Amino acid sequence: QKEVEQNSGPLSVPEGAIASLNCTYSDRGSQSFFWYRQYSGKSPELIMSIYSNGDKEDGRFTAQLNKASQYVSLLIRDSQPSDSATYLCAVNPQAGTALIFGKGTTLSVSS
Amino acid sequence: GAVVSQHPSWVICKSGTSVKIECRSLDFQATTMFWYRQFPKQSLMLMATSNEGSKATYEQGVEKDKFLINHASLTLSTLTVTSAHPEDSSFYICSANSGGSTDTQYFGPGTRLTVL
Repeated sequence: QKEVEQNSGPLSVPEGAIASLNCTYSDRGSQSFFWYRQYSGKSPELIMSIYSNGDKEDGRFTAQLNKASQYVSLLIRDSQPSDSATYLCAVNPQAGTALIFGKGTTLSVSS
Repeated sequence: GAVVSQHPSWVICKSGTSVKIECRSLDFQATTMFWYRQFPKQSLMLMATSNEGSKATYEQGVEKDKFLINHASLTLSTLTVTSAHPEDSSFYICSANSGGSTDTQYFGPGTRLTVL
């Protein structure tokens, strides 16, 4: 059974702080990794994708991948109240197949 | 960027009627699309994988005769909820696979179905 694990939270951080979201996956052969943000009542929105070990930065977001540890993380710098949402980690075990999603981590940023 | 649309965004229908939801990839061709369902405060649940020109692959427990999927072109997949009942009320979301080396999935905005 291929699985993606996330801490459900809620993760609470003050405005301006760094939020750190973590994810582990079971399929060692996975090649593509994604972070989606989902606001309540809305569909998921892609915010980051990462395919190779190391860090990938996009604005306030940094995705980190460690395939040896089967670990993906998302850092959000200078967190804003508008970042409050559920963050879904997703792994693509094979091209063309459905993503395997974690259950999501709820982030709450207080002003 | 890649855009996926869904229509309608919301629908209210009477029990026993059928409802069709359209999912379109607007600026890319999607050989594969996916249909999800999400109940309030619950995780996304994959219902089926829709492949252009072939029959959809349904997840275990999803009734293929109730949830009819047609993927007639590289930019359009439809989900028809047949003989809808109140327990089918949910948020239905499609996603389209961009393919290629990145193979990224982009989600439509979702369709909220309420069956009275």
